[in-house]
Amino acid sequence: RKEVEQDPGPFNVPEGATVAFNCTYSNSASQSFFWYRQDCRKEPKLLMSVYSSGNEDGRFTAQLNRASQYISLLIRDSKLSDSATYLCVVNGAGGYQKVTFGIGTKLQVIP
Amino acid sequence: NAGVTQTPKFRILKIGQSMTLQCTQDMNHNYMYWYRQDPGMGLKLIYYSVGAGITDKGEVPNGYNVSRSTTEDFPLRLELAAPSQTSVYFCASTSGTRSYEQYFGPGTRLTVT
Repeated sequence: RKEVEQDPGPFNVPEGATVAFNCTYSNSASQSFFWYRQDCRKEPKLLMSVYSSGNEDGRFTAQLNRASQYISLLIRDSKLSDSATYLCVVNGAGGYQKVTFGIGTKLQVIP
Repeated sequence: NAGVTQTPKFRILKIGQSMTLQCTQDMNHNYMYWYRQDPGMGLKLIYYSVGAGITDKGEVPNGYNVSRSTTEDFPLRLELAAPSQTSVYFCASTSGTRSYEQYFGPGTRLTVT
């Protein structure tokens, strides 16, 4: 089993739709969880951290389920500008030196 | 702040050549990382550093070397380039204190032919 698994997509959704991505991780001792966004041929940038209580930032909601070892990202009212690859990132029990990225889920928002 | 800068942006190497990818950050971050990203693959950690003078191997260190003589700079050296090293290389840094957020440089696209 991979340390961090994501469905690579692509997810093609119309503008205004709600879309959700899941990411599973294998190390139950993982401590920190993040979603990064990566535009085509650009560097990844932090979208949001994922807290145990869940967190929301505008149209974006991230949740963590430790029991089932997955994190999720929900995007409401999708915009064309949301088209990108969304990377799930997990910091493991080893601290900073154990940073694992998922392969990313590609989202294409269609007019 | 410029953040994390990388040079060069693009490079074509012949098999067996060597080169150094430069990475500099101006945020006084202790932790620095080198990743490679291949098409359809996640970012793979090559080397990381937790401070000046301290480096350690990541997941895919073979064929690479690093040094960290200052807090700001973390160069990646490729010796005897091979086609398997064709990739996009990203340098990143994080403070290692209050925030786990990694700040990435714009990347170096390397082709080895």
